[in-house]
Amino acid sequence: EAGVVQSPRYKIIEKKQPVAFWCNPISGHNTLYWYLQNLGQGPELLIRYENEEAVDDSQLPKDRFSAERLKGVDSTLKIQPAELGDSAVYLCASSLDPGANTGELFFGEGSRLTVL
Amino acid sequence: AQSVAQPEDQVNVAEGNPLTVKCTYSVSGNPYLFWYVQYPNRGLQFLLKYITGDNLVKGSYGFEAEFNKSQTSFHLKKPSALVSDSALYFCAVRFSGNTPLVFGKGTRLSVIA
Repeated sequence: EAGVVQSPRYKIIEKKQPVAFWCNPISGHNTLYWYLQNLGQGPELLIRYENEEAVDDSQLPKDRFSAERLKGVDSTLKIQPAELGDSAVYLCASSLDPGANTGELFFGEGSRLTVL
Repeated sequence: AQSVAQPEDQVNVAEGNPLTVKCTYSVSGNPYLFWYVQYPNRGLQFLLKYITGDNLVKGSYGFEAEFNKSQTSFHLKKPSALVSDSALYFCAVRFSGNTPLVFGKGTRLSVIA
């Protein structure tokens, strides 16, 4: 069974440019997450989807970040414009458990962003 | 607010020796506790979880963890470390209800041959 797939794996851009990351969750997983992982830190939740609905986006910086999951499967995370401080790894995860209180999350390999 | 602490940035252990990676949490209520491992340039992989029941839980790759409610701890252990266990380990906590999973900052484990 395929795991969570993310692309691109690496992205280098100039500041003020836009960037987008794509995630395809495990088939049948209704819950999808985007996490931000800074160097030397644990992942921090940006947004969580139940199907196509964003049920927790309180940590998403909405002035420059946006996300969508139009058909309740794939998801895209966008940053526009990117700033130097956005350099980090963006992790996508999915889970089967709708509330995901007791179930584990399955993570993709991440998209490493470098903003110059 | 819920939080999780991993007091050690780095743990070094000789191959074949037992290892412990520490985790403590702060919560008002019953926590759900998890351990994940991250190998270089890879995503996080689930190791084990405590939801309820037996305080000692067993997971992947021979790892286990003990839930200690009085000490609010959930330390990760393995009786005999392997060089291949060298990785970054994250403890995470969630509370009952629809709350997000909160991760510790991680502990880098180095197993030396």
